[in-house]
This record gives sequence, C-alpha cells and structure tokens, in this order.
Amino acid sequence: DAKTTQPTSMDCAEGRAANLPCNHSTISGNEYVYWYRQIHSQGPQYIIHGLKNNETNEMASLIITEDRKSSTLILPHATLRDTAVYYCIVRPPTGANSKLTFGKGITLSVRP
Amino acid sequence: DTGVSQDPRHKITKRGQNVTFRCDPISEHNRLYWYRQTLGQGPEFLTYFQNEAQLEKSRLLSDRFSAERPKGSFSTLEIQRTEQGDSAMYLCASSPRAGLNTEAFFGQGTRLTVV
Repeated sequence: DAKTTQPTSMDCAEGRAANLPCNHSTISGNEYVYWYRQIHSQGPQYIIHGLKNNETNEMASLIITEDRKSSTLILPHATLRDTAVYYCIVRPPTGANSKLTFGKGITLSVRP
Repeated sequence: DTGVSQDPRHKITKRGQNVTFRCDPISEHNRLYWYRQTLGQGPEFLTYFQNEAQLEKSRLLSDRFSAERPKGSFSTLEIQRTEQGDSAMYLCASSPRAGLNTEAFFGQGTRLTVV
C-alpha cells in the first residue's frame, strides 16, 4: 500500500512555480522520499529524492519538513512539457524491500 | 547509454493466447523490476530480479504469469491464456547494484490489449 497522500490534481500557469504537496505522516526514520513523473504514454521518469535535507537538481527542488511528515516538490518555472502525473513515493533504503510503491499521483496541468 | 528497452511497444492478442514481452535493462544494472499499470492507476509492482535470481513476486502475479532473467541481463515476462483483465501497460525498470540508494530507470512499456 502506498504510504503517501497527494491531491488528485492541480494546475499552474506556464512560467510560474509549481508546488506539489505530499503527505507521508507514517514515514520511518530510514525511508527516503522519491518523486517520479509520468508523461502520457511514457514510463515513469525519476525526478529527485531526499531523506531529510532539502535537495535540488536541474529538474526540481524537494523541500522536506523538519518532522519529515510532508514534502513539497517545486518545479521553479513550469513549462507545458511538465504536464504529467507526479508520484510521491516513500521507499526504504535499498535492500530486500527496495521496490517503488506507487499511488495514484497528482496530475499537474500547466496552462499557457 | 540506451536506457531501458522494451519490446514490443504494443501487442494486441486474442483472449486465451500466450504473449511474451522482453526487457533489456541498462547495461550493468543488476536489479530489474516488472510493473503493470492500468488506466488511471499508478504502476503496480509485479516482481523483481537481482541478477538472475527472482527475489520477490507480488500476489498480483498469478500462475499464468512467469518472468525470467536467465543470464542476469535481459528479462522476459510471459502471460499464458490471456484474459481481458490482463490488458494493461507492462513496465520494466532497472537500477544499479544493491547497497546504493539509487533511482530506478523505466522503459517506455509494452501496452497489451486482449480482445
């Protein structure tokens, strides 16, 4: 079972920041927060992951609250190509149970 | 780096027929995963391999489903006696060796339609 909850959908204007929230109130101390996205008819694409510190890469920033019960994925300047389903996933460190467990994700629609 | 490759991209089959899908992971990735995705849902885990060993199988993987990774490189997923409920996107992913907290890379998937 997915251990995260996300809104069903959201939209934002092109060029603006998209802030995608995720709740993971039952996260364990050694579990990471991963974000993937899936553009229509393609396989999921890795975006970013973190444990407790905020992370940034060329695609996005990940802000994790101090209690680690929620996080926000930030796309700083959304484009039309960012329209996709975004999945927030809680995952233990690699080991016997390292599979990704997806929920339904949040559908982000970027409008012109 | 050619990424994870899946073949075929699309398959239409009649109910009761057998189908086989192939996945070629990224070179030297020793972990390989199979997922199934139906419309409007997130991908659901089916099974995974570490090298040639199949280490975990979901209860979704009925006895009509079998997966292999004979030499620890490419993998095949076979569905016997297909049913309409098997219609879905079948996704393969690979990741580097265990012990590192790394991401999984997904292929484009094989879309199966059972008529």
